[in-house]
Amino acid sequence: AQTVTQSQPEMSVQEAETVTLSCTYDTSESDYYLFWYKQPPSRQMILVIRQEAYKQQNATENRFSVNFQKAAKSFSLKISDSQLGDAAMYFCAYALNFGKGTSLLVTP
Amino acid sequence: SQTIHQWPATLVQPVGSPLSLECTVEGTSNPNLYWYRQPAGRGLQLLFYSVGIGQISSEVPQNLSASRPQDRQFILSSKKLLLSDSGFYLCAWARDWADYGYTFGSGTRLTVV
Repeated sequence: AQTVTQSQPEMSVQEAETVTLSCTYDTSESDYYLFWYKQPPSRQMILVIRQEAYKQQNATENRFSVNFQKAAKSFSLKISDSQLGDAAMYFCAYALNFGKGTSLLVTP
Repeated sequence: SQTIHQWPATLVQPVGSPLSLECTVEGTSNPNLYWYRQPAGRGLQLLFYSVGIGQISSEVPQNLSASRPQDRQFILSSKKLLLSDSGFYLCAWARDWADYGYTFGSGTRLTVV
């Protein structure tokens, strides 16, 4: 079964600081994509970042980057210089499956 | 550019009533379409997906059904709603089968009373 696990139900970070959200997944495939989505209070799901498994280089989108460890099946999201607008639920996803989410609180 | 429209935004329906939620995509052809449910604001549960007109795959057996009458239209239905059908429903589309970089609709909050 393909599963996605987010072990941190809630995380907190101070404005301008860096936070890392964890995600592990299970698969027997060798080529695949991984994703992080953001869901702010409006509940609009937004794609934050995508990682292709066959690429060794970690994906980066502005302040968002990932640490992709293929052998460990780990896919964490790092948010640098956190902003108040980063407060949201964050979901890790693989194939059709989503993790249960991490609620990120950003404090001034 | 591609856009996805989902409606209605909110819906309150009595138990036993029918349901129809609609989702349409513009600016692309032959998209892969998906219906997810998000109970209690956490975790997304895949309900249905479609790779083409008339092709529907169901992930969770329940009293919901889906149809794709046109290339860019995806409908979620029920003949008789249950209290347990309450939740937040999200439609999404993706370009390729292996690439699940979804674009989501704005969601429908369904309350069954």
